[in-house]
Order: sequence, then C-alpha cells, then structure tokens
Amino acid sequence: NAGVTQTPKFRILKIGQSMTLQCAQDMNHNYMYWYRQDPGMGLKLIYYSVGAGITDKGEVPNGYNVSRSTTEDFPLRLELAAPSQTSVYFCASSYPKATLGYGYTFGSGTRLTVV
Amino acid sequence: AQSVTQLDSQVPVFEEAPVELRCNYSSSVSVYLFWYVQYPNQGLQLLLKYLSGSTLVKGINGFEAEFNKSQTSFHLRKPSVHISDTAEYFCAFGFGNEKLTFGTGTRLTIIP
Repeated sequence: NAGVTQTPKFRILKIGQSMTLQCAQDMNHNYMYWYRQDPGMGLKLIYYSVGAGITDKGEVPNGYNVSRSTTEDFPLRLELAAPSQTSVYFCASSYPKATLGYGYTFGSGTRLTVV
Repeated sequence: AQSVTQLDSQVPVFEEAPVELRCNYSSSVSVYLFWYVQYPNQGLQLLLKYLSGSTLVKGINGFEAEFNKSQTSFHLRKPSVHISDTAEYFCAFGFGNEKLTFGTGTRLTIIP
C-alpha cells in the first residue's frame, strides 16, 4: 500500500514559471488537502477537497489552484511562481473525516525553491 | 476563534532525560486532539490521538499525552528520550469540520 505519493520531491523554479505538484493516494480516501510548511509557522492549509469535483480554499490559497477530477489525484498548480512560494508542500488525505478521529495520512513532501 | 498553541518552538533535552512538549487549545466545543511527529526530511506521522474516554493516551515510541479539559491542554511526554526522538512535533485539533488545525511545531533536540 503506497499511501500518499507526492512528486517531485525537489524542484527549483524561476520567478514567473509555472508547475504542478502531483499528489496521489491509493486508500480510497474522500478527503484530500494541500498544506505548506514554513519554518516556525507550522502548517498552513492551501486548498482541500471533500470528494471528486469538489474543492475549497484554505487559509492561504492565493497564487495556487487545484482540481479533483478523480478520487485518487489532487494536483496543486502554481501559475506564476514567486519567491514567497518557496516552501515545503505536503499533501494529505483522510477518510471519511479527519476530525472524527482518523487523522491524516501525509505524503513525504515537495521542497520547492523559487529563485 | 478556535486555535492551538505550542508554547515552545525548541526544546533541548539530554539523552535518557524526560521531556514534556506543551500544547494548549482554544475551543468552545469538544475537540479531537492529535500529536504528529516529523523526522528530518520526512512527512508527518501520527504519534497518538485523543478522541474520548481515558484522558491518558499512549502512542508509538513510548510517548504519551494527557488530555486536560479544565486547562485545555494536551501535553506530550516521554519518560526517557533517545537520540532517535530528534524531530519536530506538531499538535493538532479538529472539532467537527473536515480540517485539522495545526500548531506551529516544537523542535526536539536530543543532546548526547
């Protein structure tokens, strides 16, 4: 069981470039999330999805977009990369609702540097 | 507003000494509480969780946490730490919606 798989693990982008961070889970989880982690700031929620075709904004959605066409995949899109988007990005999933005690399963993260 | 606070950003502890990592939450409703651990260059793993019942919760790697409703706390403890416990620890809570709220993390450093 692979769990939550994130690709790539590392990436360097130039300002203004775009890219997609991939996230896939094989646990048939309905709920998926994107967080960014900055030193001393903990995890901030970017976007989340409660099922295929449904997405919603988190605390820090500006500069990002998501889609959820299948239960398994939840890609995060950066359209115009900015230095402020330098961070470690984590994808997570849960079933059925994290707050009912199941918690999240996290991917191993993508370390993104924008120069 | 609902929130979770980890008061200590860094905690250095000598090997084999006890440790307590503090977590306080603010909520007007019942919550579920979690501790996650992040080892260097890895994702987050669930360490333990409190849902209901006994206020003392045991997790993996010898860690335990105690839920204290009156003090709105969920402190993490280990009686004797090992060098392999070096990691960042995150407290998190949820209260009925789909999202967990995470604290800012505590970096535990074990001194040989």
